Amino acid sequence: AQTVTQSQPEMSVQEAETVTLSCTYDTSESDYYLFWYKQPPSRQMILVIRQEAYKQQNATENRFSVNFQKAAKSFSLKISDSQLGDAAMYFCAYRSAEGAQKLVFGQGTRLTINP
Amino acid sequence: KAGVTQTPRYLIKTRGQQVTLSCSPISGHRSVSWYQQTPGQGLQFLFEYFSETQRNKGNFPGRFSGRQFSNSRSEMNVSTLELGDSALYLCASSLVAGEAGELFFGEGSRLTVL
Repeated sequence: AQTVTQSQPEMSVQEAETVTLSCTYDTSESDYYLFWYKQPPSRQMILVIRQEAYKQQNATENRFSVNFQKAAKSFSLKISDSQLGDAAMYFCAYRSAEGAQKLVFGQGTRLTINP
Repeated sequence: KAGVTQTPRYLIKTRGQQVTLSCSPISGHRSVSWYQQTPGQGLQFLFEYFSETQRNKGNFPGRFSGRQFSNSRSEMNVSTLELGDSALYLCASSLVAGEAGELFFGEGSRLTVL
C-alpha cells in the first residue's frame, strides 16, 4: 500500500518570504500522480499543483512550484512571495495512475503567514 | 457554475443511530468520491462512484455504505454510529474517472456523535 508522509506538522513564514513544505511517499508503482491541496480554515479543499510521475520537469503554478525527486520519492512544495491568503493546511496526496480517483493523503502541514 | 454541494453541513447524532449524507457534484461531473477527515487519522478514502457503480472502496467497516443516482448525486450512509465516526466527511467530484483530473471538493458535512 502507498503511504505519504509530511514531517512538518506546522510551518510559519514571514509575508513575502519563501517557504518549502516537505513530502515523501512510498510506492512500488512506476506511474502515478502527486498533488498538493490547500485547505483554508473552514473552507473547502482546493488543488494547488499537480505532478505526473512520468514528467521530469517540475510543475509550476504562479508562485507555487514543486521539487519532484522520483528516485528519492520526494515531492516538496515551494511557495514564493508568501501572502496572508496562503495560510492554510497543506496536504500532499498520491494517486495511482491505474483507474480510481482514490487519493492517499499525508497528515498535513499547517502554514502560518506572519505579517 | 455551482460547486460541489454537501448537505447537511452540520449534524449531531447519538451512538447507535444512522445518518445519511448527500453530495451534489458539479454539473456534468460523473465521478464522486468520499473521504473521512479526523484529527487522528487524517484524510481517508471511503469510496468512489462513477455512473452509479462503486469503483473502489476504502478500508472501512460495512456500516459505511454509499450509492450514486442517475443524476450523479451521491449519498453515503453510516449505520449504528460510534463515537469514532465523528468527523468531517468530504465529497469530491471530477469530470471522469480513471484520469488524474482535478478533484473538486465540497465544504464537507461535519458529523458529531454523542
